[in-house]
Amino acid sequence: DTGVSQDPRHKITKRGQNVTFRCDPISEHNRLYWYRQTLGQGPEFLTYFQNEAQLEKSRLLSDRFSAERPKGSFSTLEIQRTEQGDSAMYLCASSPRSLKGETQYFGPGTRLLVL
Amino acid sequence: ILNVEQSPQSLHVQEGDSTNFTCSFPSSNFYALHWYRWETAKSPEALFVMTLNGDEKKKGRISATLNTKEGYSYLYIKGSQPEDSATYLCASSGGANNLFFGTGTRLTVIP
Repeated sequence: DTGVSQDPRHKITKRGQNVTFRCDPISEHNRLYWYRQTLGQGPEFLTYFQNEAQLEKSRLLSDRFSAERPKGSFSTLEIQRTEQGDSAMYLCASSPRSLKGETQYFGPGTRLLVL
Repeated sequence: ILNVEQSPQSLHVQEGDSTNFTCSFPSSNFYALHWYRWETAKSPEALFVMTLNGDEKKKGRISATLNTKEGYSYLYIKGSQPEDSATYLCASSGGANNLFFGTGTRLTVIP
């Protein structure tokens, strides 16, 4: 049973550097989501893809953030010119169908620390 | 943005005790309510999805109920075990494609 995987699991970077995270969803899941969790908060929605199309972006996704899902399979989330406020857990989730209320299956997350 | 609230924030119980947590969400424009269990260093695990008022779901010693008219859901754990220690998250979709999460209830079961 291969669930959602994320890489790396942990990333420490200096302010101003660029970082990129990868998410591999469950095979054949056509929806992929990115969330961010900061200390003391629940996960907050960033963006989602249906196949390769990015259909929605949260206002949390500033212009320093970009996400791609080039072939409708894995996805990358890049943060340019990182700031200390970007320190958070970045979670990826996938779901099998394009139905509202569908269960989203989460990966273990990438914990980012910006020094 | 949906305001989803969970209480309590944290909870310590003795092994064998039963416990319950609350999730409240806007009852207007409700679509589905999700419960997840998130153990440290692991992926959040989906427990239940409920959509209909009065829904009750059960998985082993864990069960959940849903009241969409008043906007709340309860999660019950019967006979808590140390392996139940985790953060329990609820989320509502409210008709949106993404989930709106509460801040979670952190449960610690003391052996």
